[in-house]
Amino acid sequence: SQKIEQNSEALNIQEGKTATLTCNYTNYSPAYLQWYRQDPGRGPVFLLLIRENEKEKRKERLKVTFDTTLKQSLFHITASQPADSATYLCALDIRGYSTLTFGKGTMLLVSP
Amino acid sequence: DGGITQSPKYLFRKEGQNVTLSCEQNLNHDAMYWYRQDPGQGLRLIYYSQIVNDFQKGDIAEGYSVSREKKESFPLTVTSAQKNPTAFYLCASSKQETQYFGPGTRLLVL
Repeated sequence: SQKIEQNSEALNIQEGKTATLTCNYTNYSPAYLQWYRQDPGRGPVFLLLIRENEKEKRKERLKVTFDTTLKQSLFHITASQPADSATYLCALDIRGYSTLTFGKGTMLLVSP
Repeated sequence: DGGITQSPKYLFRKEGQNVTLSCEQNLNHDAMYWYRQDPGQGLRLIYYSQIVNDFQKGDIAEGYSVSREKKESFPLTVTSAQKNPTAFYLCASSKQETQYFGPGTRLLVL
């Protein structure tokens, strides 16, 4: 069965450092992968989408890589700030029809 | 202001009661989705609809029902057959690959 794995333990880093979050998947070859941010008690917010033919995508302080051979995506936040503290979810379209399957998310805590 | 609204923010259900969660969008999106989120868990797909008057079961549809009579609206009913309904319910809509989420409804059982 398809599986999406994200680090279950919270990632604690200091302000100004680069945060790197991992998303691994098995038994599937997705056409694209997405990253969302979720704050406590709120709905997820879309951050970035990367397609299978793209190695890297950037948006301001965010960078996503997509290695279809390793079946892995890395999500980087450079010059992290306490306001970046949230849970970050990766998602794949496994079923088709643009229905997403989400990982459980990784909580990021950025301390001043 | 374009967006997705969900109501109510909190909902309490008594034993044996059916309750309906509202989801409305004014983004002119064709597709809409309902997810359930439990503590420490990812989002799990309950139902989705890609067009008016059509909807499909997701991974955990048992105990839930939906309707899609209008493009803007996709209400979810949690029936008495759902034995463990306590969760955070999220509605989303999409035009292409990206999904836009509402603020969620937290359902609690009395």
